[in-house]
Amino acid sequence: DTGVSQNPRHKITKRGQNVTFRCDPISEHNRLYWYRQTLGQGPEFLTYFQNEAQLEKSRLLSDRFSAERPKGSFSTLEIQRTEQGDSAMYLCASSLRASQETQYFGPGTRLLVL
Amino acid sequence: AQRVTQPEKLLSVFKGAPVELKCNYSYSGSPELFWYVQYSRQRLQLLLRHISRESIKGFTADLNKGETSFHLKKPFAQEEDSAMYYCALSGQGGSEKLVFGKGTKLTVNP
Repeated sequence: DTGVSQNPRHKITKRGQNVTFRCDPISEHNRLYWYRQTLGQGPEFLTYFQNEAQLEKSRLLSDRFSAERPKGSFSTLEIQRTEQGDSAMYLCASSLRASQETQYFGPGTRLLVL
Repeated sequence: AQRVTQPEKLLSVFKGAPVELKCNYSYSGSPELFWYVQYSRQRLQLLLRHISRESIKGFTADLNKGETSFHLKKPFAQEEDSAMYYCALSGQGGSEKLVFGKGTKLTVNP
């Protein structure tokens, strides 16, 4: 499968623990996006990378959240000191650099904070 | 502010009936509009976008800038159309992040 992949697919953690998610975009896709989706809502933008540069962050991304894309390929999203409100589906998407290219989504990582 | 409104959370129709999923948007500028679909236990995928002006799986959507709407239509619904549908917009230039509506769950009954 050459689509966007995300790991793990599910994560259960206790409040206060740190978690890290990984996203592998489609090969040669320069752009990588993270979104968060809570129950009954559409996905909400968190942050965006072009190659290894993080170019935009949403106000939703508190200082407990950090994202990296060290070599311009895979990306990680870390949440420190998780809170129950962090429980959500975390989606990754990638696209080619050209303007208005389609974003292709991964299957998501479902996080449950107890 | 960028905003997408899908007024119907749930929509139920019978097979063969026409279906219209409503989408209204707010954006200062010329956005790109999309419809994404999520079938049961599958990932979110692009259904269509206004710039390509094509029909996918019998669905069409016309951008009405005067009414700031991008409603999704299909003349004869099929059971396999049952899914979650999200309308989204992006600006031109910059990150081109997607702003999604809350989604409409379409159920097509036999």
